[in-house]
Amino acid sequence: EPEVTQTPSHQVTQMGQEVILRCVPISNHLYFYWYRQILGQKVEFLVSFYNNEISEKSEIFDDQFSVERPDGSNFTLKIRSTKLEDSAMYFCASRASSTGELFFGEGSRLTVL
Amino acid sequence: AQSVTQLGSHVSVSEGALVLLRCNYSSSVPPYLFWYVQYPNQGLQLLLKYTSAATLVKGINGFEAEFKKSETSFHLTKPSAHMSDAAEYFCAVSDRGSGTYKYIFGTGTRLKVLA
Repeated sequence: EPEVTQTPSHQVTQMGQEVILRCVPISNHLYFYWYRQILGQKVEFLVSFYNNEISEKSEIFDDQFSVERPDGSNFTLKIRSTKLEDSAMYFCASRASSTGELFFGEGSRLTVL
Repeated sequence: AQSVTQLGSHVSVSEGALVLLRCNYSSSVPPYLFWYVQYPNQGLQLLLKYTSAATLVKGINGFEAEFKKSETSFHLTKPSAHMSDAAEYFCAVSDRGSGTYKYIFGTGTRLKVLA
């Protein structure tokens, strides 16, 4: 069964460092999302991406964050200068159509020290 | 804007007892609703979804949910709890008003199953 894959599964970084989280969406999907879950809290929407551009972003997704689809398969989330409060699980998701089911990856746990 | 509210951040049931996890939604358009389960240190697994077909939706692991428009509810139930059901459960609504149809999640309910 096709699935969304995310790497790394866990990354530890120092405050102020740049981090790139990678996602490989399901191959025929066109809509891509990043969500964040701070430990013990709700899953929060960060950004949606379609047709090589951001279609919507939340207030969390400030100038420190960026997304990119550098090739036909990867979808990345970059945090330019990490803060302690960026420590969270980051989930990538994709769907084939705008109203289709959203498929989530297993998540990348980011720990900022 | 669409939103979901999950009543009860923690629910404890005895093994074999009925599981009832509450979710109420707010939506200006007919909603698409979902329940996800998250086991410790794992990702989000879809349990079931409602997309305007049958109001009683059956999912995996013996769970089901009923869409009640009059009550704006989509509560998750399971007749008999099993120890393996212990997890965090999230209700979500698809934001059909935003154009991106992103999912908006509730705050989650942690289910504890007592032996």
